[in-house]
Parts: sequence; C-alpha cells; structure tokens
Amino acid sequence: NAGVTQTPKFQVLKTGQSMTLQCAQDMNHNSMYWYRQDPGMGLRLIYYSASEGTTDKGEVPNGYNVSRLNKREFSLRLESAAPSQTSVYFCASSPPGTGGYEQYFGPGTRLTVT
Amino acid sequence: KQEVTQIPAALSVPEGENLVLNCSFTDSAIYNLQWFRQDPGKGLTSLLLIQSSQREQTSGRLNASLDKSSGRSTLYIAASQPGDSATYLCAALDNYGQNFVFGPGTRLSVLP
Repeated sequence: NAGVTQTPKFQVLKTGQSMTLQCAQDMNHNSMYWYRQDPGMGLRLIYYSASEGTTDKGEVPNGYNVSRLNKREFSLRLESAAPSQTSVYFCASSPPGTGGYEQYFGPGTRLTVT
Repeated sequence: KQEVTQIPAALSVPEGENLVLNCSFTDSAIYNLQWFRQDPGKGLTSLLLIQSSQREQTSGRLNASLDKSSGRSTLYIAASQPGDSATYLCAALDNYGQNFVFGPGTRLSVLP
C-alpha cells in the first residue's frame, strides 16, 4: 500500500523559476494538505483541500498555488521561486471527519532555491 | 491564533529510562491533538491521536494525555530504547476540523 507519495524528492531551482510539486494518495481520503517545514519552526500549513474541487489558504499561502486535480491528487505550484521558499515540503491526507482527521504524511520534497 | 509549543527542545536519556515530552497550546477549542514521530530526512508518522472528548490514548509503550482546560498534552514513553531516537511533534486541530497547528518538536536521543 503506497499511502501518500510525493515527487520529486529533491529539487534545486534558481530564483524566478517555476515548478510543481506532485502529491497523490491511494487511501480514498477526502482532505489533503500541503505544509512546509523550516528549522525550529515546526510545520506550517500552506494550503488544504477539504474535498475534490475545493481549496483553502492556510497560514503561509503567499507565493504558492494549488490544484486538487481529482480525489487522489493535490499539486503545489511555485510560480516564481524565491530563496525564502527553500524548505522541506510535506503533503498529507486525512479521512472523513468521523475518523478524527488523523493525518498521514508523504516522505517530503526538499527544495533549494538559489 | 493558536500557538503550540513543546518543551524541552532536545532531550538525551540513557536507555531504559521513562520520559515525558510536553506540548502546550494556547486555544483550548481544539478538535483533537495528534502526536507524530519524525526520523531524520523522513516524513511524519502518526503515533497517537486524542479526540477532544478523551483524556488519554495508549499504544504499546506510549501513552498520551490531554488536558484541554490547561492547554496541555504529554507523551509518556516507557522503558526507552535507542530506536526511539527521533523528533516528536504534536499538532492541535481546530474545531472546524481543517487547520492543524504544529509545535516545533522535541529531539530525543536515547543512548545505549
């Protein structure tokens, strides 16, 4: 069972370049999330999607866009990368509310912007 | 705005010791609280989830408690082992069931 998968695992970008981080889950979860993790700051929510076709901003959405392509896939796009976006990005998913919204995480994408 | 803190930031103990990790949150209106483990360079693995109506949850050598009125949760690890070495994070979910707020984590080292 693959769970939550993310591609790529590593990426180096130059300032101003764009890229899309891909996330997919095979657990039939409704909700999906994108976080960034920076040293000493824990994880911060960038965007989330409560269900297919809906997306909402989290704590730090500036500089990012998302697409909930279908129930399985939730992508994160950086239109013009900046050094401040150097971070580790995690995708997560959770089942419907009766399960308590337990979150399941992907392995992460380590992004460096030079 | 919810803020989550964890104390201590780092902890080193000899193998076999029992230990407690602390998590504090400022807004008691939470839906649940979840504890995670993160190994270096890896994603997060869920350890325990406590619903707001519960007081504690147990899984093997792990026990997590929740006191909403005081804004605190603790993770108790019994008979620690070197394999327990990792960073432990807690996260509080708001009452709308959408926004998780994470603490910065406690880095645990269990020495053989």
